[in-house]
Amino acid sequence: DVKVTQSSRYLVKRTGEKVFLECVQDMDHENMFWYRQDPGLGLRLIYFSYDVKMKEKGDIPEGYSVSREKKERFSLILESASTNQTSMYLCASRGQSTEAFFGQGTRLTVV
Amino acid sequence: QQPVQSPQAVILREGEDAVINCSSSKALYSVHWYRQKHGEAPVFLMILLKGGEQKGHEKISASFNEKKQQSSLYLTASQLSYSGTYFCGTEELGNTDKLIFGTGTRLQVFP
Repeated sequence: DVKVTQSSRYLVKRTGEKVFLECVQDMDHENMFWYRQDPGLGLRLIYFSYDVKMKEKGDIPEGYSVSREKKERFSLILESASTNQTSMYLCASRGQSTEAFFGQGTRLTVV
Repeated sequence: QQPVQSPQAVILREGEDAVINCSSSKALYSVHWYRQKHGEAPVFLMILLKGGEQKGHEKISASFNEKKQQSSLYLTASQLSYSGTYFCGTEELGNTDKLIFGTGTRLQVFP
């Protein structure tokens, strides 16, 4: 069974903290994604990685950075968390020209 | 830039039909469709590649008009299990593998 695993289902962090969201896939996929899901706004792409150490900004990269040191792992970093980053974060992976597989999501609350 | 979906929400009785539209301002290589049930990860339904093909999946089918950069998802004789939020995802020509999702359409089917 294919799997995309996100390290936490729920996180509560304080404003100004550095936050790491981890995602691991076991399908040897080249492409990995971080999306943010908010009501009425759909799934918005934060960052996309098409290979190890390669990344591309999505539509809303401000306030976020990413790291992909190994093919199976893609990390999203909030350098200094703010309340407007409270959201559901979804990780996904896909091979070339295939469908995307999603993790279960991390609901992040910044207080 | 996110593709735009319409309508934003649909309410149906079992057995009724629905159409969900997805429109992009960019030239497209493919369109994906996914369904997300409440509290779960989005799940893949189908991919349509440029060439104007139409695909079916039981009573759910879709079309892709590459000239208009539009796709439509057709749900026929809806069932309770069709309830959820539907997302289209697009790959642009010249930037394939990067998957951008739309704003979502919430579908509710009642008995």
